[in-house]
Amino acid sequence: GAGVSQTPSNKVTEKGKYVELRCDPISGHTALYWYRQSLGQGPEFLIYFQGTGAADDSGLPNDRFFAVRPEGSVSTLKIQRTERGDSAVYLCASSPGLAGGGGDEQFFGPGTRLTVL
Amino acid sequence: AQSVTQLDSQVPVFEEAPVELRCNYSSSVSVYLFWYVQYPNQGLQLLLKYLSGSTLVKGINGFEAEFNKSQTSFHLRKPSVHISDTAEYFCAGPHFNKFYFGSGTKLNVKP
Repeated sequence: GAGVSQTPSNKVTEKGKYVELRCDPISGHTALYWYRQSLGQGPEFLIYFQGTGAADDSGLPNDRFFAVRPEGSVSTLKIQRTERGDSAVYLCASSPGLAGGGGDEQFFGPGTRLTVL
Repeated sequence: AQSVTQLDSQVPVFEEAPVELRCNYSSSVSVYLFWYVQYPNQGLQLLLKYLSGSTLVKGINGFEAEFNKSQTSFHLRKPSVHISDTAEYFCAGPHFNKFYFGSGTKLNVKP
């Protein structure tokens, strides 16, 4: 079956602009995660959805970042007034949501490389 | 404070030699621990995970890891590496559903 997909694969934008990054999880997966990976670093947790609700958004760096998952499948990460420091690879992952407390394997998408000029 | 620490950013090793990639976790991370691998130009994929039970966990491609509660470690090992194991390896653990990843270890297998 299809894996996790993310669009676009690359996004170049100018400082101050608004961007949306999309994630299509594996069908039936109720848990969805967004991460940010900067060069030379591991993935940094941003937000976790269980179904339609954001169960943990404590990793969002500031109020310029927002994510939604209105129907419990596709998710969109939205960044307002982009800054050069937002440049990174944004990863999405999904999991079945069967094991509590983070025991499920996460299936990762290929990521969106965001460059803010 | 970082909850998962990978002590080596790069590990060079010759083909067919054994390798150990080190990972330590803090008490803020639950006892679920994972190793993920990222091959060049590919997404992260699961190598192995520890949830409970036997402290020695076997994963794909001949890798294994040992959960050591007293040393708060979850080191990854392979007795004989191949060129195809060249990749970046990440240790991870959750605090509830918030996942913490280490900074990664680049394994460079030389012929």
